[in-house]
Amino acid sequence: EAQVTQNPRYLITVTGKKLTVTCSQNMNHEYMSWYRQDPGLGLRQIYYSMNVEVTDKGDVPEGYKVSRKEKRNFPLILESPSPNQTSLYFCASSLVPLGTGLLSTDTQYFGPGTRLTVL
Amino acid sequence: AQKITQTQPGMFVQEKEAVTLDCTYDTSDQSYGLFWYKQPSSGEMIFLIYQGSYDEQNATEGRYSLNFQKARKSANLVISASQLGDSAMYFCAMRGSHTGRRALTFGSGTRLQVQP
Repeated sequence: EAQVTQNPRYLITVTGKKLTVTCSQNMNHEYMSWYRQDPGLGLRQIYYSMNVEVTDKGDVPEGYKVSRKEKRNFPLILESPSPNQTSLYFCASSLVPLGTGLLSTDTQYFGPGTRLTVL
Repeated sequence: AQKITQTQPGMFVQEKEAVTLDCTYDTSDQSYGLFWYKQPSSGEMIFLIYQGSYDEQNATEGRYSLNFQKARKSANLVISASQLGDSAMYFCAMRGSHTGRRALTFGSGTRLQVQP
């Protein structure tokens, strides 16, 4: 089954304790992205990756790191989590990067989400 | 800059009736894509339907159709024959052809409740 998976689905942690949220897709997609969803602020992009070893900042990258060593995986790393990073996190992927002209193939598919609480 | 506006915070519809969820957008791009996603209470984001700015026909996917009016910059989602399982948040989103960050821009969402 074609899908984007995220782990863990739920996480409660404490300030300053490093954590990693994993994201994996089995669709051979080039483009992957992380978003966070907060009440009243909607979904905002944290980081994105156009392909292996190519990553760049989104709207709200502060406090996050990413890596793309393999095409299928795009982990989100919080080196020192703080309470303002409490949020619902989504990983997404698409066959090609958005806006590369292949209009029908840049639909982003989302993972199930990770609810993170930082105390 | 791109912007998506969803003016209906909440909507009610009777089961088996059709419902239209409004979405207007603003962009200076000539080429762009419009998407609708469904977010049930469980939290996941489910892709529903896609419309390209140069597509001549309105997109349809099963009970979902997109009423695309380019001149009015609107991309309303029509759900026919509503089912109880359609109760969820619905988000309109877009991406432009020159979006450097390759991000989707989302609207604030519409919460749809289907009543038996």
